[in-house]
Amino acid sequence: DAGVIQSPRHEVTEMGQEVTLRCKPISGHNSLFWYRQTMMRGLELLIYFNNNVPIDDSGMPEDRFSAKMPNASFSTLKIQPSEPRDSAVYFCASRRAATGELFFGEGSRLTVL
Amino acid sequence: GEDVEQSLFLSVREGDSSVINCTYTDSSSTYLYWYKQEPGAGLQLLTYIFSNMDMKQDQRLTVLLNKKDKHLSLRIADTQTGDSAIYFCAEMGGSQGNLIFGKGTKLSVKP
Repeated sequence: DAGVIQSPRHEVTEMGQEVTLRCKPISGHNSLFWYRQTMMRGLELLIYFNNNVPIDDSGMPEDRFSAKMPNASFSTLKIQPSEPRDSAVYFCASRRAATGELFFGEGSRLTVL
Repeated sequence: GEDVEQSLFLSVREGDSSVINCTYTDSSSTYLYWYKQEPGAGLQLLTYIFSNMDMKQDQRLTVLLNKKDKHLSLRIADTQTGDSAIYFCAEMGGSQGNLIFGKGTKLSVKP
């Protein structure tokens, strides 16, 4: 199994620029989650999808953040415009429905200057 | 609301046992999980326990669940330097089953 694949692994951008993070879940998993990890706030759930449908986006910080899942094998998290406080590691995870365990990608480390 | 609490740091000597504790609030959680995160990597599932169990053992790992006190613990026997990492406790919360994570316990193993 390839596991959850995220890209890019690292991104450095300037304030105001658009950032797009990508995720390919494990084949056959029907739920996909986006988390953000910072030293101050730990691991925060941003949004999750079941069967490509957004279920809970209450963790999305503000309108600058948006997420899509156009099909079962691809999701994007977009930040426009980006701000320095968005600097964090963004994780994507997918879930095997039976036991609920999440499988995480390696993360995308975002630095906004 | 749902919340998961764990101490932030634990330091042990190589060869000793480590015990990482966690408390959670959602008594209806069906599964509870322990994840491990090594530097620069994603979270990796270590083990999980179903809520109708009170103990699960897997090689050097022992998970204890006290449902009455909503307390979960992870014991690592014969702790090695390679066990140094951040350990996250998580409960399955919400009607749709999203995972609620604690802030993680950083385990440092001294040789």
